[in-house]
Amino acid sequence: QVTLKESGPVLVKPTETLTLTCTVSGFSLSNARMGVSWIRQPPGKALEWLAHIFSNDEKSYSTSLKSRLTISKDTSKSQVVLTMTNMDPVDTATYYCARIWRVPATAIGWFDPWGQGTLVTVSS
Amino acid sequence: SYELTQPPSVSVSPGQTARITCSGDALPKQYAYWYQQKPGQAPVLVIYKDSERPSGIPERFSGSSSGTTVTLTISGVQAEDEADYYCQSADSSGTYEVFGGGTKLTVL
Repeated sequence: QVTLKESGPVLVKPTETLTLTCTVSGFSLSNARMGVSWIRQPPGKALEWLAHIFSNDEKSYSTSLKSRLTISKDTSKSQVVLTMTNMDPVDTATYYCARIWRVPATAIGWFDPWGQGTLVTVSS
Repeated sequence: SYELTQPPSVSVSPGQTARITCSGDALPKQYAYWYQQKPGQAPVLVIYKDSERPSGIPERFSGSSSGTTVTLTISGVQAEDEADYYCQSADSSGTYEVFGGGTKLTVL
């Protein structure tokens, strides 16, 4: 059974850096066919893709947030970490991690399954 | 940046067919995917690679593609299908993923 679970702070202050961890089970982060993505959803709003990382350490970031995001992985711990700097109240959202299935010979794919998500509130 | 456009809402009666569209310039070049999200839950993949259905997804869910528009069709809609549906694809260069704005399906 494949599962992903997000962990991190529920409350961060403006200007602080958010660090989220995704712990996966049921698949390996060294599998070339898949990786892990982060996606967020502000309350009542649409999904927004943030970043992904594949087994060969290939990374991609949202163009609008690229300067604030860093994604990394620890294969031995089955964990993927996302950091987002300079947090603002507009970054209040549920943050999901999901397994990304790579479309062969590309750097993109689709998301299945998803973690349960973690709500992060940005407020002083 | 690249955008996918969905209608904000679609309403159908039980047993009828619901069609949710998603438009984007790169769709002739990139696959589309569809997710169902019920209130308080994480999204679930219902269609991948334009028209493939994952195991466990009912046969009433189907996907199609024509030019710059992809369509999720739910045949014989049931009350349990009421949810938000999101399309997802990638930019034309295959650099990053993007989601549509979501469509709220209401079963009357």
